Amino acid sequence: GNSVTQMEGPVTLSEEAFLTINCTYTATGYPSLFWYVQYPGEGLQLLLKATKADDKGSNKGFEATYRKETTSFHLEKGSVQVSDSAVYFCALIGDAGNMLTFGGGTRLMVKP
Amino acid sequence: DTEVTQTPKHLVMGMTNKKSLKCEQHMGHRAMYWYKQKAKKPPELMFVYSYEKLSINESVPSRFSPECPNSSLLNLHLHALQPEDSALYLCASSQGTINYYGYTFGSGTRLTVV
Repeated sequence: GNSVTQMEGPVTLSEEAFLTINCTYTATGYPSLFWYVQYPGEGLQLLLKATKADDKGSNKGFEATYRKETTSFHLEKGSVQVSDSAVYFCALIGDAGNMLTFGGGTRLMVKP
Repeated sequence: DTEVTQTPKHLVMGMTNKKSLKCEQHMGHRAMYWYKQKAKKPPELMFVYSYEKLSINESVPSRFSPECPNSSLLNLHLHALQPEDSALYLCASSQGTINYYGYTFGSGTRLTVV
């Protein structure tokens, strides 16, 4: 079956630091890949997505590139802000096009 | 309208109460989902509706009863819950159950069972 593995958190950074959250997946074929963000006390928001190999998803300064050769979709941001503190979920939809599979989530804490 | 709206945002109920959670979307999506999320965990799928018909029930106890009155509305009826059912309940929708573009989530209902 499909699965998503994320780095364990929490990740604690100072403001303006560089962020990387690792995500790798197991799936047959060419899944679609997603990053969702959950701010404290809220639901999930789609942050970015990529639907085919070598695509780069980007939004709000965050980026992730779909790497088929390493089955990875790492999330990066050049300069984090306190307001980026949240839980980040990597997820995929398999090439059958059904069911969203989540990773375990990574909590990011950004300190002023 | 690109939102999924859930009401209420917070709910406290006793173990003998009956209550309902509501979810609404006007994006023309034909698949709708209920998820349960415990603290520090990813969401867990409970139910899937496709074209207003229940297509997946992930072995959820019968004290949770979903209902899809029309293509825009999804309810979750709650009865005789246990304290361990306290969680964030998320509704989501997508264009169909076969899609490659992700789901749109609501902001959730924070449920506390006392």
